[in-house]
Amino acid sequence: DGGITQSPKYLFRKEGQNVTLSCEQNLNHDAMYWYRQDPGQGLRLIYYSQIVNDFQKGDIAEGYSVSREKKESFPLTVTSAQKNPTAFYLCASRVTLTGTSGAGELFFGEGSRLTVL
Amino acid sequence: AQSVTQPDIHITVSEGASLELRCNYSYGATPYLFWYVQSPGQGLQLLLKYFSGDTLVQGIKGFEAEFKRSQSSFNLRKPSVHWSDAAEYFCAVGAIPGTGRRALTFGSGTRLQVQP
Repeated sequence: DGGITQSPKYLFRKEGQNVTLSCEQNLNHDAMYWYRQDPGQGLRLIYYSQIVNDFQKGDIAEGYSVSREKKESFPLTVTSAQKNPTAFYLCASRVTLTGTSGAGELFFGEGSRLTVL
Repeated sequence: AQSVTQPDIHITVSEGASLELRCNYSYGATPYLFWYVQSPGQGLQLLLKYFSGDTLVQGIKGFEAEFKRSQSSFNLRKPSVHWSDAAEYFCAVGAIPGTGRRALTFGSGTRLQVQP
């Protein structure tokens, strides 16, 4: 079945360590997204990528980095510079925005919960 | 800038009762609007979406939503709630090509509790 796979589902990190969250999709979608979810704050956009080898900062990019070397993969690195990294991270994808067809919905993975000890 | 407001943080209804979750948006043009549902510890699932045309949109699981341009609202409704509907619900407004914003903007969510 087509879908988005995030791993790991749970991750614990010591302060000062970088961690990388994996996101893989087999939906053949061009665009991929990373959102952070905190209680009572909804989803906030971290980074997004419209095509391979290109990505843009979202609303809360500080302390995070991404890469898009393959269409299927969009890993997120939470660096030690991120002041409060404990959160639930959601990866999503959708077809590329083109004309009026650009209103496609996002398809989400099951999320990764990161806890800083 | 686009924004989405969900005024109700938490709603409790009895099983079998009707439900309405509120969503107001701020956007300079006709928006693309979405409702998603999230079970605890899970990803988000699309309930329904509005792009254009008929302002009453039908979705999955018996949900519907009505787009009201004059009120900048896109409220979600269900005539009879089931215990399995207990979850968190998110309203979102979509991107329009050429605006520079190419990602959905989400509201803060409404948590629905269903009493037996």
